[in-house]
Amino acid sequence: NAGVTQTPKFRVLKTGQSMTLLCAQDMNHEYMYWYRQDPGMGLRLIHYSVGEGTTAKGEVPDGYNVSRLKKQNFLLGLESAAPSQTSVYFCASSYIAASGTQYFGPGTRLLVL
Amino acid sequence: AQSVTQLDSQVPVFEEAPVELRCNYSSSVSVYLFWYVQYPNQGLQLLLKYLSGSTLVESINGFEAEFNKSQTSFHLRKPSVHISDTAEYFCAVSETGTASKLTFGTGTRLQVTL
Repeated sequence: NAGVTQTPKFRVLKTGQSMTLLCAQDMNHEYMYWYRQDPGMGLRLIHYSVGEGTTAKGEVPDGYNVSRLKKQNFLLGLESAAPSQTSVYFCASSYIAASGTQYFGPGTRLLVL
Repeated sequence: AQSVTQLDSQVPVFEEAPVELRCNYSSSVSVYLFWYVQYPNQGLQLLLKYLSGSTLVESINGFEAEFNKSQTSFHLRKPSVHISDTAEYFCAVSETGTASKLTFGTGTRLQVTL
Protein backbone atom coordinates (compact mmCIF):
# COMPACT_ATOMS: atom_id res chain seq x y z
CA ASN A 1 0.00 0.00 0.00
CA ALA A 2 1.94 3.02 -1.30
CA GLY A 3 -0.59 5.66 -0.21
CA VAL A 4 -0.18 8.83 -2.27
CA THR A 5 2.69 9.05 -4.74
CA GLN A 6 3.84 11.96 -6.85
CA THR A 7 6.04 12.11 -9.94
CA PRO A 8 8.40 13.68 -10.60
CA LYS A 9 10.14 14.57 -7.33
CA PHE A 10 12.10 17.45 -8.82
CA ARG A 11 11.87 19.43 -12.03
CA VAL A 12 13.52 22.48 -13.51
CA LEU A 13 11.66 24.31 -16.28
CA LYS A 14 12.36 27.33 -18.39
CA THR A 15 9.77 30.08 -18.59
CA GLY A 16 7.11 29.16 -21.12
CA GLN A 17 7.66 25.41 -20.98
CA SER A 18 4.85 23.05 -20.06
CA MET A 19 4.72 20.04 -17.80
CA THR A 20 2.36 17.66 -16.05
CA LEU A 21 2.61 16.51 -12.45
CA LEU A 22 1.10 13.11 -11.70
CA CYS A 23 -0.53 12.12 -8.44
CA ALA A 24 -1.66 8.57 -7.77
CA GLN A 25 -3.43 7.07 -4.76
CA ASP A 26 -4.21 3.45 -4.00
CA MET A 27 -6.68 3.99 -1.14
CA ASN A 28 -9.81 4.25 -3.31
CA HIS A 29 -10.39 7.83 -2.12
CA GLU A 30 -13.04 9.95 -3.78
CA TYR A 31 -11.50 13.33 -3.04
CA MET A 32 -8.16 14.56 -4.36
CA TYR A 33 -6.41 17.90 -4.06
CA TRP A 34 -3.45 19.86 -5.38
CA TYR A 35 -1.73 22.39 -3.12
CA ARG A 36 1.28 24.60 -3.48
CA GLN A 37 3.51 25.44 -0.54
CA ASP A 38 5.48 28.66 -0.46
CA PRO A 39 7.61 30.02 2.42
CA GLY A 40 5.55 31.92 4.95
CA MET A 41 2.28 31.20 3.16
CA GLY A 42 1.34 27.73 4.27
CA LEU A 43 -0.46 25.51 1.79
CA ARG A 44 -2.85 26.97 -0.72
CA LEU A 45 -5.39 24.91 -2.66
CA ILE A 46 -4.97 25.05 -6.43
CA HIS A 47 -7.65 22.63 -7.68
CA TYR A 48 -9.55 19.71 -6.26
CA SER A 49 -11.77 16.84 -7.35
CA VAL A 50 -14.76 15.26 -5.59
CA GLY A 51 -14.77 12.17 -7.79
CA GLU A 52 -13.72 10.65 -11.09
CA GLY A 53 -14.39 13.01 -13.98
CA THR A 54 -14.87 16.10 -11.77
CA THR A 55 -12.62 19.06 -11.04
CA ALA A 56 -13.09 22.39 -9.31
CA LYS A 57 -11.06 25.54 -8.68
CA GLY A 58 -9.42 26.22 -5.38
CA GLU A 59 -7.87 29.36 -3.97
CA VAL A 60 -5.09 29.87 -6.57
CA PRO A 61 -6.12 28.17 -9.84
CA ASP A 62 -4.71 30.62 -12.39
CA GLY A 63 -2.02 29.15 -14.65
CA TYR A 64 -2.92 25.54 -13.82
CA ASN A 65 -5.24 22.91 -15.25
CA VAL A 66 -6.20 19.52 -13.85
CA SER A 67 -7.80 16.29 -14.97
CA ARG A 68 -9.23 13.28 -13.12
CA LEU A 69 -9.88 10.70 -15.83
CA LYS A 70 -9.34 7.79 -13.45
CA LYS A 71 -10.34 7.68 -9.80
CA GLN A 72 -6.82 6.91 -8.63
CA ASN A 73 -5.04 9.64 -10.62
CA PHE A 74 -5.11 13.41 -10.47
CA LEU A 75 -2.96 15.36 -12.95
CA LEU A 76 -1.81 18.95 -12.58
CA GLY A 77 -0.72 20.76 -15.71
CA LEU A 78 1.24 23.92 -16.27
CA GLU A 79 0.69 25.07 -19.85
CA SER A 80 3.21 27.93 -19.85
CA ALA A 81 5.36 27.97 -16.74
CA ALA A 82 6.24 31.24 -15.04
CA PRO A 83 8.85 31.97 -12.33
CA SER A 84 5.95 32.70 -9.93
CA GLN A 85 5.06 29.01 -10.17
CA THR A 86 8.33 28.01 -8.52
CA SER A 87 7.08 26.14 -5.49
CA VAL A 88 6.65 22.79 -3.81
CA TYR A 89 3.50 21.02 -4.99
CA PHE A 90 1.63 18.56 -2.81
CA CYS A 91 -1.12 16.20 -3.76
CA ALA A 92 -3.54 14.85 -1.16
CA SER A 93 -6.51 12.54 -1.06
CA SER A 94 -9.31 11.82 1.39
CA TYR A 95 -12.17 9.35 1.74
CA ILE A 96 -14.69 11.56 3.50
CA ALA A 97 -15.66 15.18 2.88
CA ALA A 98 -14.96 18.02 5.35
CA SER A 99 -14.17 15.85 8.39
CA GLY A 100 -11.89 13.44 6.61
CA THR A 101 -8.17 13.15 7.10
CA GLN A 102 -6.22 14.18 4.04
CA TYR A 103 -3.28 11.98 3.10
CA PHE A 104 -0.41 13.79 1.45
CA GLY A 105 2.17 12.75 -1.08
CA PRO A 106 5.88 13.53 -0.63
CA GLY A 107 5.78 16.61 -2.86
CA THR A 108 7.27 17.82 -6.14
CA ARG A 109 9.83 20.61 -6.09
CA LEU A 110 9.51 22.80 -9.19
CA LEU A 111 11.93 25.53 -10.19
CA VAL A 112 10.99 27.78 -13.10
CA LEU A 113 13.86 29.79 -14.50
CA ALA B 1 -15.02 32.47 4.31
CA GLN B 2 -12.86 30.65 6.82
CA SER B 3 -9.35 31.67 7.82
CA VAL B 4 -6.63 30.45 10.16
CA THR B 5 -4.03 32.49 12.03
CA GLN B 6 -0.86 31.04 13.48
CA LEU B 7 0.77 33.97 15.19
CA ASP B 8 4.15 32.35 15.82
CA SER B 9 6.22 31.54 12.75
CA GLN B 10 8.99 29.99 14.84
CA VAL B 11 9.08 28.58 18.36
CA PRO B 12 12.46 27.58 19.81
CA VAL B 13 12.34 25.36 22.88
CA PHE B 14 14.72 23.19 24.90
CA GLU B 15 14.23 19.46 25.02
CA GLU B 16 11.92 18.30 27.84
CA ALA B 17 10.37 21.75 28.15
CA PRO B 18 6.64 22.32 27.55
CA VAL B 19 5.42 24.01 24.41
CA GLU B 20 2.25 25.64 23.11
CA LEU B 21 1.65 26.43 19.44
CA ARG B 22 -1.17 28.88 18.96
CA CYS B 23 -3.94 28.69 16.40
CA ASN B 24 -6.99 30.92 15.97
CA TYR B 25 -9.62 30.55 13.30
CA SER B 26 -12.44 32.55 11.82
CA SER B 27 -15.62 31.11 10.36
CA SER B 28 -19.31 31.96 10.23
CA VAL B 29 -20.38 28.31 10.51
CA SER B 30 -19.42 25.22 12.47
CA VAL B 31 -15.95 23.89 11.73
CA TYR B 32 -13.69 20.89 11.96
CA LEU B 33 -10.16 21.60 13.17
CA PHE B 34 -6.91 19.85 12.39
CA TRP B 35 -3.22 19.93 13.22
CA TYR B 36 -0.85 18.55 10.61
CA VAL B 37 2.91 18.05 11.03
CA GLN B 38 5.55 18.25 8.32
CA TYR B 39 8.96 16.77 8.98
CA PRO B 40 11.86 18.01 6.81
CA ASN B 41 11.51 17.13 3.13
CA GLN B 42 8.28 15.22 3.66
CA GLY B 43 4.62 15.70 3.03
CA LEU B 44 2.15 16.62 5.75
CA GLN B 45 0.63 14.05 8.05
CA LEU B 46 -2.28 14.36 10.43
CA LEU B 47 -1.37 14.88 14.08
CA LEU B 48 -4.86 15.20 15.56
CA LYS B 49 -8.29 16.56 14.75
CA TYR B 50 -11.43 17.84 16.43
CA LEU B 51 -14.74 16.88 14.87
CA SER B 52 -17.22 16.91 17.76
CA GLY B 53 -17.65 15.78 21.35
CA SER B 54 -14.86 16.27 23.87
CA THR B 55 -13.08 19.53 23.26
CA LEU B 56 -9.72 18.02 24.25
CA VAL B 57 -8.15 15.77 21.65
CA GLU B 58 -4.89 13.87 21.89
CA SER B 59 -2.36 12.37 19.54
CA ILE B 60 -0.44 9.13 19.99
CA ASN B 61 2.86 10.93 20.55
CA GLY B 62 1.84 13.12 23.48
CA PHE B 63 0.44 16.24 21.79
CA GLU B 64 -2.97 17.56 22.73
CA ALA B 65 -5.18 20.39 21.52
CA GLU B 66 -8.26 21.98 23.00
CA PHE B 67 -11.11 23.43 20.99
CA ASN B 68 -12.28 26.69 22.53
CA LYS B 69 -15.35 27.90 20.67
CA SER B 70 -15.70 31.19 22.57
CA GLN B 71 -12.12 32.17 21.80
CA THR B 72 -12.14 30.50 18.36
CA SER B 73 -8.87 28.80 19.20
CA PHE B 74 -7.33 25.36 18.82
CA HIS B 75 -3.92 25.60 20.50
CA LEU B 76 -1.53 22.65 20.38
CA ARG B 77 0.38 21.67 23.51
CA LYS B 78 2.92 19.14 24.66
CA PRO B 79 4.15 18.95 28.27
CA SER B 80 7.65 17.73 27.38
CA VAL B 81 9.10 17.94 23.89
CA HIS B 82 11.73 15.73 22.28
CA ILE B 83 14.33 16.48 19.64
CA SER B 84 12.31 14.38 17.22
CA ASP B 85 9.39 16.83 17.52
CA THR B 86 11.35 19.36 15.47
CA ALA B 87 9.11 20.02 12.49
CA GLU B 88 6.67 22.50 11.01
CA TYR B 89 3.15 22.39 12.38
CA PHE B 90 0.11 23.54 10.45
CA CYS B 91 -3.31 24.30 11.86
CA ALA B 92 -6.18 23.84 9.42
CA VAL B 93 -9.94 24.32 9.38
CA SER B 94 -12.75 23.04 7.21
CA GLU B 95 -16.36 24.10 7.40
CA THR B 96 -18.92 21.40 8.06
CA GLY B 97 -21.02 20.45 5.08
CA THR B 98 -18.45 21.35 2.46
CA ALA B 99 -16.37 19.18 0.16
CA SER B 100 -13.51 18.94 2.64
CA LYS B 101 -11.71 22.06 1.56
CA LEU B 102 -9.06 22.68 4.15
CA THR B 103 -7.74 26.15 4.84
CA PHE B 104 -4.27 26.10 6.34
CA GLY B 105 -2.46 28.52 8.55
CA THR B 106 0.98 29.73 7.60
CA GLY B 107 2.69 27.22 9.87
CA THR B 108 4.83 27.28 13.00
CA ARG B 109 8.32 25.90 12.93
CA LEU B 110 9.09 24.12 16.21
CA GLN B 111 12.84 23.91 16.81
CA VAL B 112 13.81 21.69 19.75
CA THR B 113 17.38 21.93 21.01
CA LEU B 114 19.40 20.24 23.75
